[in-house]
Amino acid sequence: GAGVSQSPRYKVAKRGQDVALRCDPISGHVSLFWYQQALGQGPEFLTYFQNEAQLDKSGLPSDRFFAERPEGSVSTLKIQRTQQEDSAVYLCASSSLRLAGGREQFFGPGTRLTVL
Amino acid sequence: KNQVEQSPQSLIILEGKNCTLQCNYTVSPFSNLRWYKQDTGRGPVSLTIMTFSENTKSNGRYTATLDADTKQSSLHITASQLSDSASYICVVSDRGSTLGRLYFGRGTQLTVWP
Repeated sequence: GAGVSQSPRYKVAKRGQDVALRCDPISGHVSLFWYQQALGQGPEFLTYFQNEAQLDKSGLPSDRFFAERPEGSVSTLKIQRTQQEDSAVYLCASSSLRLAGGREQFFGPGTRLTVL
Repeated sequence: KNQVEQSPQSLIILEGKNCTLQCNYTVSPFSNLRWYKQDTGRGPVSLTIMTFSENTKSNGRYTATLDADTKQSSLHITASQLSDSASYICVVSDRGSTLGRLYFGRGTQLTVWP
């Protein structure tokens, strides 16, 4: 596609519900990143994939957070038993370079998650 | 601790005026520094990327500077337009780890008034 797309754009969940957030990276991009952006804050790193391999998941805040990219393209971020502190915008980015600190990352519009 | 600090937190200017946003970082070892523009409800969009050896880089009305010795960067916006209203985020990449983690500032919220 022309850019990184994410769905849904908005998600409202009741506390304790499970949610799944989808990211479609730019076609052919090797690297995929998930970030969490709380209101008024900059994005914070969650996890990084190179193709289907999850090379860094050190930013995931708890074991309730799980990400996968089984075929090296589309990725899903799953949050189990959501809590109010999980409310944030979840951004996905992709890059054609293998290194996470490489040059250009292209961001999707984000999914705004609100946990009631 | 690797940190990126931005100032001011918010800024209001009149259309046509210039402004400068500041970024200080403690990320080490340094790989590159980026400025992103984030419109409300959208993902960040890259404006400039600078490596250690680059002191300045321009992208239209946006000019970024980097002083790697003092670990400071600035983003200068010339002849501001209403569409410049957005959050400007400073992002620094390290090269200490194999994967080069990105560290984000909180952003400066710029509002341009007519």
